[in-house]
Amino acid sequence: GAGVSQSPRYKVAKRGQDVALRCDPISGHVSLFWYQQALGQGPEFLTYFQNEAQLDKSGLPSDRFFAERPEGSVSTLKIQRTQQEDSAVYLCASSTIDRWNEQFFGPGTRLTVL
Amino acid sequence: GNSVTQMEGPVTLSEEAFLTINCTYTATGYPSLFWYVQYPGEGLQLLLKATKADDKGSNKGFEATYRKETTSFHLEKGSVQVSDSAVYFCALRGEYGNKLVFGAGTILRVKS
Repeated sequence: GAGVSQSPRYKVAKRGQDVALRCDPISGHVSLFWYQQALGQGPEFLTYFQNEAQLDKSGLPSDRFFAERPEGSVSTLKIQRTQQEDSAVYLCASSTIDRWNEQFFGPGTRLTVL
Repeated sequence: GNSVTQMEGPVTLSEEAFLTINCTYTATGYPSLFWYVQYPGEGLQLLLKATKADDKGSNKGFEATYRKETTSFHLEKGSVQVSDSAVYFCALRGEYGNKLVFGAGTILRVKS
């Protein structure tokens, strides 16, 4: 596909469950970002990869959040022991190195924790 | 740290009205500034950007000028259409960073 894809688009989890959210960036995009968007708010940065290297994870809210990109392409954001405050839309974005100013966003995964 | 403040919405306008959405920022150095738009049911899309002071970004009739003296990047359009109804986000990228810092978003509703 031409754009960033994310799956699942919607996820409902019971409090305490683990979830895994997937991001497929645009082919060839070196940089990959995860953002969290709470209802009625702007996206907030979680973490950043350049190829397989996680260069910035300063936005991860707790040690329950973990992200990986083992082969420098697809990325997974994992949330362990989900809490109600984790309910949000999780956005993935990718960019090239030479056009690093523009990030292309996926449609997001809406996570609801009951 | 870096931050972005944008005017609260919703903003409701009639078709062909003039639009201004205010955005101010706090950042050290020389950030790059962006406006992103989210149409109903769609993902975030880059609308326009400016990377240095006094630059004007423009796209689809929208404009914004990077004003370092007032730390502002206000979005304007001379004549809005119903199809412009969306949520607009102002954002910045720090001079030495990669991540985007977003404002809270402004809902725009255009009535025919």
